[in-house]
Amino acid sequence: DADVTQTPRNRITKTGKRIMLECSQTKGHDRMYWYRQDPGLGLRLIYYSFDVKDINKGEISDGYSVSRQAQAKFSLSLESAIPNQTALYFCATSFGASGYTFGSGTRLTVV
Amino acid sequence: AQSVTQLGSHVSVSEGALVLLRCNYSSSVPPYLFWYVQYPNQGLQLLLKYTSAATLVKGINGFEAEFKKSETSFHLTKPSAHMSDAAEYFCAVTRSSNDYKLSFGAGTTVTVRA
Repeated sequence: DADVTQTPRNRITKTGKRIMLECSQTKGHDRMYWYRQDPGLGLRLIYYSFDVKDINKGEISDGYSVSRQAQAKFSLSLESAIPNQTALYFCATSFGASGYTFGSGTRLTVV
Repeated sequence: AQSVTQLGSHVSVSEGALVLLRCNYSSSVPPYLFWYVQYPNQGLQLLLKYTSAATLVKGINGFEAEFKKSETSFHLTKPSAHMSDAAEYFCAVTRSSNDYKLSFGAGTTVTVRA
């Protein structure tokens, strides 16, 4: 099994729908992150969590919310999806200065 | 805020030729710097990282990068490109050992010609 698992891998949803992207990890890392990747923009941080009781906004949090249900689980929600939220979403974990471990990504299309 | 600039969104090299990917950072303090690689339909994989130890950092798959404070650069090189090096490469920076919010460059796509 992958160290960081994202579900679903691909999703097409309609404008205005609520959607949740899920992330679980077996690394035992305390820190978890959600990034979105857009062509030519690299990855941008949406939300991050340093432990279960610590949730922080990243640089592009508008339109998104998160929940850290346990140390190993960190979900991202789009309350009312819009087309410009079409992107590739990555969950990542980190511990100390060891760098990140990324999931394989969720490709979300909002039509 | 931390930022990184990757010069060149696309790089094409011949198999066996030098690969050079450029990354410059803006920082008022010595940063932690990373290079990641993303193969098609996969997540990002760490190639190497600079954490204020040796300025020449060796990574996986024959890649290395040199931290040059005077030039605020952290360019990635590989002496001899292989077809399997075709991927997208991202430079990233974080401010300190206690701050792990990575700021990524826009990415450079490498194509390897036979």
